[in-house]
Formats: sequence, C-alpha cells, structure tokens
Amino acid sequence: DTEVTQTPKHLVMGMTNKKSLKCEQHMGHRAMYWYKQKAKKPPELMFVYSYEKLSINESVPSRFSPECPNSSLLNLHLHALQPEDSALYLCASSQDSQVYSPLHFGNGTRLTVT
Amino acid sequence: DQQVKQNSPSLSVQEGRISILNCDYTNSMFDYFLWYKKYPAEGPTFLISISSIKDKNEDGRFTVFLNKSAKHLSLHIVPSQPGDSAVYFCAAIPGTGTYKYIFGTGTRLKVLA
Repeated sequence: DTEVTQTPKHLVMGMTNKKSLKCEQHMGHRAMYWYKQKAKKPPELMFVYSYEKLSINESVPSRFSPECPNSSLLNLHLHALQPEDSALYLCASSQDSQVYSPLHFGNGTRLTVT
Repeated sequence: DQQVKQNSPSLSVQEGRISILNCDYTNSMFDYFLWYKKYPAEGPTFLISISSIKDKNEDGRFTVFLNKSAKHLSLHIVPSQPGDSAVYFCAAIPGTGTYKYIFGTGTRLKVLA
C-alpha cells in the first residue's frame, strides 16, 4: 500500500472541462510535488510546495493550477487541457529540502484528454 | 539536455544471476542519488539511495555504487528474481535546499525464470 494516495486513478476529460486531481499524505512530510510522466519517459517535475507555499513552478502552462490547502493535501486543478496533456500525473512527498530524503510517490492519475 | 542518463533502455537477466543497471550524470553538483522501481500502473517505488560522501550502499539484495570521478552510478541486484522485472529509474538532486529531483530515462529489466 502506498502512503501517498491519489484520486481518481483514471480520468477522461474533454478540452472544455474543469477537473481536479487530489493527493493526500499522512507521513508528516512538508514538501509535496506534482510530476507528469509520458509513456517511455522519465517523470518530469511540474510543481513543488514546501510548507504549503509554492516553491517551484517549472514553467507549467496556466491551464494547470496547483493548490495546497494544508500540509497533507495537494490538488491540481485542470482547465482547457489539450490532448497532448494526456499522461500519468504523479504526486510525491518528501520530508523537506534540508535533509536528504527520498520522494514517496502515489500511484498516479492516468489522464486522457479527448 | 538530459542531465541523468540511462543508456540501456532494456536488460534481460536469468533468475538467480546478477542484474547491473547503470546511470551516468553530467552535473557535478549532484549530491544525492536514488534508485526507483516502477511497475505498470503504479507510481515509482523508492529502492535505495546514496550520498556523494559514500561510494557504496547496500540494502539486502540491492547495492548502489557511486563513482564520482566518472559521474557514474550503478545498481546491483543479486540474486535477481522474476518479481524484480520492472522499469528502474535513477534520480539525482544537487544538494539540500533544493527540491529538483532529476530522473533518468529508465531501464526496463526483465528477469527470466
């Protein structure tokens, strides 16, 4: 069982839809991440929240909007996506940036944009 | 510019033998290295890590070796088991105070029974 929980597991949405991906962790980690992974490619960093504040935005288009309501929750709001945004979206957490600690990933949300 | 590279996209090994997965990096600032295993339809699972002050770290069947001068690390799995069949990613991060874990391109390991 993964300690990082992502919902939904699968999502199909049209280009005009608005949807949200959710992520939850209860390990007391203070850093949370969104990664995007396309087939046969490595995970690609999108956003990092540290102590509930946005720390890194890797020049992600504004149709992706992250939110960190509290230290355990991380959301990714989606609006007006393109078919090329179809991918596996992975949430991860780590202790914080001041110690070496591994990322703990959820099982991802498989997103298909039609 | 791929800072972390895994030049072998796939590897097949007989059950019971050693699997050696390789990873090269270009950024000399990388200070902490990790290996992840990924099954289809699951997120990557952390396996083992090593900091740049060490050249070897061992955990059960998994050993990671780091050669800083060559900017190379490797993961040894011995003995290999069919359940080890997965995609393996190496990752690196340039020191504390940053969150930018950079992942390699992955190697698909197939352990043959």
